[in-house]
Amino acid sequence: DTGVSQDPRHKITKRGQNVTFRCDPISEHNRLYWYRQTLGQGPEFLTYFQNEAQLEKSRLLSDRFSAERPKGSFSTLEIQRTEQGDSAMYLCASSLVKGGYEQYFGPGTRLTVT
Amino acid sequence: AQSVTQLDSQVPVFEEAPVELRCNYSSSVSVYLFWYVQYPNQGLQLLLKYLSGSTLVKGINGFEAEFNKSQTSFHLRKPSVHISDTAEYFCAVNPNFGNEKLTFGTGTRLTIIP
Repeated sequence: DTGVSQDPRHKITKRGQNVTFRCDPISEHNRLYWYRQTLGQGPEFLTYFQNEAQLEKSRLLSDRFSAERPKGSFSTLEIQRTEQGDSAMYLCASSLVKGGYEQYFGPGTRLTVT
Repeated sequence: AQSVTQLDSQVPVFEEAPVELRCNYSSSVSVYLFWYVQYPNQGLQLLLKYLSGSTLVKGINGFEAEFNKSQTSFHLRKPSVHISDTAEYFCAVNPNFGNEKLTFGTGTRLTIIP
């Protein structure tokens, strides 16, 4: 069990650029979640997958955001045409559908849009 | 829908003193309850969870929490804090049909005073 990993840990980009983040869940975890955390706030749900199927998307996930989980393994979160308001910590978590229901979080990717 | 309220945004406590971090929730369905801790520039780590059974749950690092259904509360306690407990603490819920998205509170920053 190597834990949830995320790459990159930090990303600085200019407004209008596209960025992509990667999350590798704990192996054998079939649920994968994306959350966004802004300064002074708790994480807010963005979307989640069971295996390769995207089961729910938050209203926070505008058309500029897209997430994929090909083959039910790692996941990518892409933000197109970044805006300053996208600056946040993007957290990934994974869990087992049948288990203790806890979600295991990665270290996050901190995005700064200048 | 669920919501979580953490009434105290910051709690300063002297080292070796007891602490209680408050969490209240609102939900139209039964929920599972969680406390997570976040150290600076890191992801979230599970402290403890309540799924069912005994209302007093024990977690890691000497923390415990008590579920009170009538008061819809899940307060976190520790009898004697250490410098290393300095962190942000988040209360979270999800519906008890399991493994759905977590709804987080805004967090409580615990500062330990030497």
